[in-house]
Amino acid sequence: NAGVMQNPRHLVRRRGQEARLRCSPMKGHSHVYWYRQLPEEGLKFMVYLQKENIIDESGMPKERFSAEFPKEGPSILRIQQVVRGDSAAYFCASSPRQGTDTQYFGPGTRLTVL
Amino acid sequence: GESVGLHLPTLSVQEGDNSIINCAYSNSASDYFIWYKQESGKGPQFIIDIRSNMDKRQGQRVTVLLNKTVKHLSLQIAATQPGDSAVYFCAERRNDYKLSFGAGTTVTVRA
Repeated sequence: NAGVMQNPRHLVRRRGQEARLRCSPMKGHSHVYWYRQLPEEGLKFMVYLQKENIIDESGMPKERFSAEFPKEGPSILRIQQVVRGDSAAYFCASSPRQGTDTQYFGPGTRLTVL
Repeated sequence: GESVGLHLPTLSVQEGDNSIINCAYSNSASDYFIWYKQESGKGPQFIIDIRSNMDKRQGQRVTVLLNKTVKHLSLQIAATQPGDSAVYFCAERRNDYKLSFGAGTTVTVRA
């Protein structure tokens, strides 16, 4: 059973470009969470999604950030018009059933904004 | 404010010794706690969890202790090995799905 998969593992963007981060949950998991980790810090919750639904996006910046988890395909975290402050590691986690199950993390995407 | 924090940012341990990593939390409503291990360049790896109705839980070489009276959580690693070198995070969950992470403790195992 493959774990949570994320791609790309490393992403470099120039200021003003768009970044798209993909997450494929573990097989059988229908709940996806995105977290952001700045250097030397712990992870911060961004958004919780189920298939075709955003359950909680209270940790997402109001501007430029969006997330989706379509019926088919991976979950996408999209950052428009990136700025240097968006440079971070973005982790996706998944759980099998309810949002209260243990969350298993992917390897992360390290975004660098030049 | 509410926070999850670790007492020490770094811990150096002799190989073969036991390690103890501490964590303090401030929200008494938290009902679930998890320890994650994060190696350089990788995502957090689940180690062990404990619910608020327990005070101790053991896994393979690891034990988590929960003291709700003083809002303290600890992770004990027996016979620490070089492969245990990593950053360790405690995380709490407050009756929903959001995990709140502390800043992490870096554990270095000396040969």
